[in-house]
Amino acid sequence: QVQLVESGGGLVTPGGSLRLSCAGSGFTFSDYYMSWIRQAPGKGLEWLSYIRSDGSTTYSADSVKGRFTFSRDNAKNSLYLQLNSLRAEDTAVYYCARDRTSGFWSGYAYWGQGTLVTVSS
Amino acid sequence: SYVLTQPPSVSLAPGQTARITCGGYSIGSKTVHWYQQKPGQAPVLVVYDDSDRPSGIPERFSGSNSGNTATLTISSVEAGDEADYYCQVWDGTSDQRGVVFGGGTKLTVL
Repeated sequence: QVQLVESGGGLVTPGGSLRLSCAGSGFTFSDYYMSWIRQAPGKGLEWLSYIRSDGSTTYSADSVKGRFTFSRDNAKNSLYLQLNSLRAEDTAVYYCARDRTSGFWSGYAYWGQGTLVTVSS
Repeated sequence: SYVLTQPPSVSLAPGQTARITCGGYSIGSKTVHWYQQKPGQAPVLVVYDDSDRPSGIPERFSGSNSGNTATLTISSVEAGDEADYYCQVWDGTSDQRGVVFGGGTKLTVL
């Protein structure tokens, strides 16, 4: 069965960095677009990125451009999110998600359990 | 950038029909997906491509999309339907191409 497992979250001081990972299993990782979405405490869902199956194209939210970097390693069945220059407002649960089908934009049918990033001094 | 507007909350009694709207300019020309999220859990896709249901989602969940409004309809609501619901589209028309989520609607079953 399809599984997505995020890791790498934790407590970081403002201005610090963190690298999140998302390991996929139960499907051919290299066939699917993948995404990162976050949710601040008590808030709604915020989309961060959508990366093409071969990693050649990444769409990302303006709100994090220049600070967050998105990548994938299909050989390792993994998706990555590098968070730099972290701010208190980046405190959130970070989810990775997979499209329902291998085509473009079919809805996020699979989600990880999320990993919590807390930015605080 | 493209904006999706949802009512913050909808409340109704068990057995009634919930209609959760998602407003956006010419949203009828876009493909809309809907998610259900219960406290402490990851979201679950309940409607995709405007009106289709993933396997395992009850027939009570349905969707429509036309003009400037998409609607998620939940018939005969149950206590277990109490959750936050989010609509979602792909915005390929603006300079900032990407996914857009609505602000979410909290469904309360009285």
